[in-house]
Amino acid sequence: EDQVTQSPEALRLQEGESSSLNCSYTVSGLRGLFWYRQDPGKGPEFLFTLYSAGEEKEKERLKATLTKKESFLHITAPKPEDSATYLCAVQAGGGSYIPTFGRGTSLIVHP
Amino acid sequence: DTGVSQDPRHKITKRGQNVTFRCDPISEHNRLYWYRQTLGQGPEFLTYFQNEAQLEKSRLLSDRFSAERPKGSFSTLEIQRTEQGDSAMYLCASSLGTEGQAYFGPGTRLTVT
Repeated sequence: EDQVTQSPEALRLQEGESSSLNCSYTVSGLRGLFWYRQDPGKGPEFLFTLYSAGEEKEKERLKATLTKKESFLHITAPKPEDSATYLCAVQAGGGSYIPTFGRGTSLIVHP
Repeated sequence: DTGVSQDPRHKITKRGQNVTFRCDPISEHNRLYWYRQTLGQGPEFLTYFQNEAQLEKSRLLSDRFSAERPKGSFSTLEIQRTEQGDSAMYLCASSLGTEGQAYFGPGTRLTVT
């Protein structure tokens, strides 16, 4: 069974204080790993797809990286508007390709 | 960019009543997913369609839940005889085949009193 574990559950940062969120996964044959951002009361918003170990993607202050066992979402010099829950999901190769989500990391950036 | 839309955005119902939610996916997407999310949890898979065919349902999905996707376009999710434990955000997502990411709608917040 596919498993996704995100840590920490919650993270408080000061504006400008860089940090990383972790997503550890167990899947039989990774087809894709996805990062989403979710604001309170809204649906998840797609950020990145990573397909293979060593791959990196960047968008503004966010950078996602992937190894064979985990993915990191690095946040450089965050701003208060980066406050949200960040969700990680994995899609296994073979079978039905249904994305399995972790519980997310709740990020609060204080001004 | 029309995105994924869901209706209604909020629904308050009394225990025992039936409710139905609608999802309109991105027009060219042939895969449609339903997820449920409760506070502090990630989205939990309920069911998915490939075109009009419902291909998989979660083992956690009660018989009170049914979903349809007539003609492979919009989808409906019906919950019969609602219970307080059904209170959650119901999320719809669509994707283009098995490749790549799913795009989510804004969700329907269900409150069962």
